Amino acid sequence: KQEVTQIPAALSVPEGENLVLNCSFTDSAIYNLQWFRQDPGKGLTSLLLIQSSQREQTSGRLNASLDKSSGRSTLYIAASQPGDSATYLCAGSLTAGNKLTFGGGTRVLVKP
Amino acid sequence: GAVVSQHPSRVICKSGTSVKIECRSLDFQATTMFWYRQFPKQSLMLMATSNEGSKATYEQGVEKDKFLINHASLTLSTLTVTSAHPEDSSFYICSARESGTYGYTFGSGTRLTVV
Repeated sequence: KQEVTQIPAALSVPEGENLVLNCSFTDSAIYNLQWFRQDPGKGLTSLLLIQSSQREQTSGRLNASLDKSSGRSTLYIAASQPGDSATYLCAGSLTAGNKLTFGGGTRVLVKP
Repeated sequence: GAVVSQHPSRVICKSGTSVKIECRSLDFQATTMFWYRQFPKQSLMLMATSNEGSKATYEQGVEKDKFLINHASLTLSTLTVTSAHPEDSSFYICSARESGTYGYTFGSGTRLTVV
C-alpha cells in the first residue's frame, strides 16, 4: 500500500524567497507523481506530473523532481509571490489509471 | 486540456434527505472516475472508484449503501448521499483521467452542508 507524506504541514516565507516543498512515498514502484495546488474552498489544479521514467518536470517558476530510489519528490517554486499562497498536494499512483494516494499537503503563506 | 465539471458547487440539505452530485468529463471520455472526500484542513481521502457500466469499488470503511455511485455513461458519474446527516457535511471532489494521458483532472468540488 502506497503511503504519501508531506513535510512541513505549513510554511511561511517572505516574498521573493524560493520555496522547497517535500513529498515522500513508501512504494518505489510509483507509476506517476503529480503535484497539485488547492486554494481555500476550491478544487485541485494540476501543476506538474512526473512519470516514473522521468526525473523532473519544469513549468515556469516551478520545478519538480522525482527520486524513486529514495522515495522522494520535491517541488521548487522560485521567487515566490503572494499569489503562490495556497495548499500544495502531492499524489502518487502505482499503475496507469489507478487511484491517487495523497499526501497531507503543505499550506504555504507568502508574505508581501 | 481535459476539463471535469462538477455540479453543484454548494448544496445545503436537511437531515434525512438525499443529495446528488454530478461529475462530467467535458471534452473526453472517462471509463473510470474517482470520488474523494475532504474534511477541513485535511487531505483528500478516496471514497470510491466509479467504473462505467459496472459497480463502483468502495474503499474500506465507506458505506456503499449510503454513498451511491452511478457511472451510466462515459462522461458522467454521480454520487448520491442518501439519508444525509450532519456528519456527512464535507467537501466532495471527483476526478478523471483521459485515456492516453497520464495526469488526473479534478472537478471544482461540492461543499455539502447538512443541517
